[in-house]
Amino acid sequence: DIQMTQSPSSMSASLGDRVTITCQASQDIGNNLIWFQQKPGKSPRPMIYYATNLANGVPSRFSGSRSGSDYSLTISSLESEDMADYHCLQYKQYPWTFGGGTKLELK
Amino acid sequence: EVQLVESGGGLVQPGRSMKLSCAASGFTFNNYDMAWVCQAPKKGLEWVATISYDGSSTYYRDSVKGRFTISRDNAKSTLYLQMDSLRSEDTATYYCARAPGGYWGQGTLVTVSS
Repeated sequence: DIQMTQSPSSMSASLGDRVTITCQASQDIGNNLIWFQQKPGKSPRPMIYYATNLANGVPSRFSGSRSGSDYSLTISSLESEDMADYHCLQYKQYPWTFGGGTKLELK
Repeated sequence: EVQLVESGGGLVQPGRSMKLSCAASGFTFNNYDMAWVCQAPKKGLEWVATISYDGSSTYYRDSVKGRFTISRDNAKSTLYLQMDSLRSEDTATYYCARAPGGYWGQGTLVTVSS
């Protein structure tokens, strides 16, 4: 199975900060990765698909990048509405696997 | 507008069965693979199963193989998850999603407890 190691598991940041969350894949997944945002009691919302593409309606302060087996979600200037859990998903190979999640809180 | 609406969750005793449904609308259902993803309370997301657009192929995580069955009725635009021999560790909110995750339902909570 492909392991997705997500870091950090939690972090606190201030409004306006630049925030980066990373998932490292244990095997090649190409760009078959999605980043999700999930708020309490809500369904996951896709933010970035195919590793680097912004999903419809997602603010441009969000971006996705890839360096080898490391995939990153970056928020360029944190806003209060961005406080949420973030998850990565690889769907290159079954079983699909999620990262462990990152809880982003306001400092 | 794409909509996925799950139903069928609730409280069930260990060892019993439960069947979840997911009614899809707003897109051509039989053009898309569909998936179930679960989330135990206060835990991360876990992929459960995927079915191909025509139902010819199915894939499961190891912990549910032989106990859960994913199926679909394209005429009714509905996805199903038959869950047998339920265990306490199956307690979770179950989401249906248009694979690989572009659209999600609101989720339905399954609680396995005596």
